[in-house]
Amino acid sequence: GENVEQHPSTLSVQEGDSAVIKCTYSDSASNYFPWYKQELGKGPQLIIDIRSNVGEKKDQRIAVTLNKTAKHFSLHITETQPEDSAVYFCAASNEKSSASKIIFGSGTRLSIRP
Amino acid sequence: DGGITQSPKYLFRKEGQNVTLSCEQNLNHDAMYWYRQDPGQGLRLIYYSQIVNDFQKGDIAEGYSVSREKKESFPLTVTSAQKNPTAFYLCASSTLPGQGKGNEQFFGPGTRLTVL
Repeated sequence: GENVEQHPSTLSVQEGDSAVIKCTYSDSASNYFPWYKQELGKGPQLIIDIRSNVGEKKDQRIAVTLNKTAKHFSLHITETQPEDSAVYFCAASNEKSSASKIIFGSGTRLSIRP
Repeated sequence: DGGITQSPKYLFRKEGQNVTLSCEQNLNHDAMYWYRQDPGQGLRLIYYSQIVNDFQKGDIAEGYSVSREKKESFPLTVTSAQKNPTAFYLCASSTLPGQGKGNEQFFGPGTRLTVL
């Protein structure tokens, strides 16, 4: 079955610097890659997603890149701010399959140092 | 105000007792999911349902049971057979997978269950 690996498990960056979180997936049929942000004591919320027909997507300070050949996708946060501190999860699924489930990575705890 | 709600936010249970966690959504989603989250770990799928009166086991279904009598509701029962039930439980919903509309899952705020 599909497996998603996420690195690093923890990440600490200085406020204003950039943060990068990387994921790899195993199922070449995966074509939808969402990223979720989970704040303490809350449920995860979708922050950005990318589909396999594009290589990059940007939304203000957040960007995702996808390398289908290498089965890698990454989250980039620029000009980090204290409110970016949270746990981030990557995920992968096949949108075209009714039997497909979203498979989540193990999460990255991002801390922004003031 | 559309969304997905879970109750209660905190729940305490004595060993040997069954307990039911509530999950309701008004997003008109066909699919609903239950996940378990342990400290510092990712999300593990317990059960999911794509249609009323039908549900499927996830990766860690042992010791749990669910029902889907209404489209809006997907309660999870943590039974006494679950050996280590203390965890954060998350419910989610989505449109049906396979329709090309995206598999975005909308999560509830979670229920923290503690076994005393």
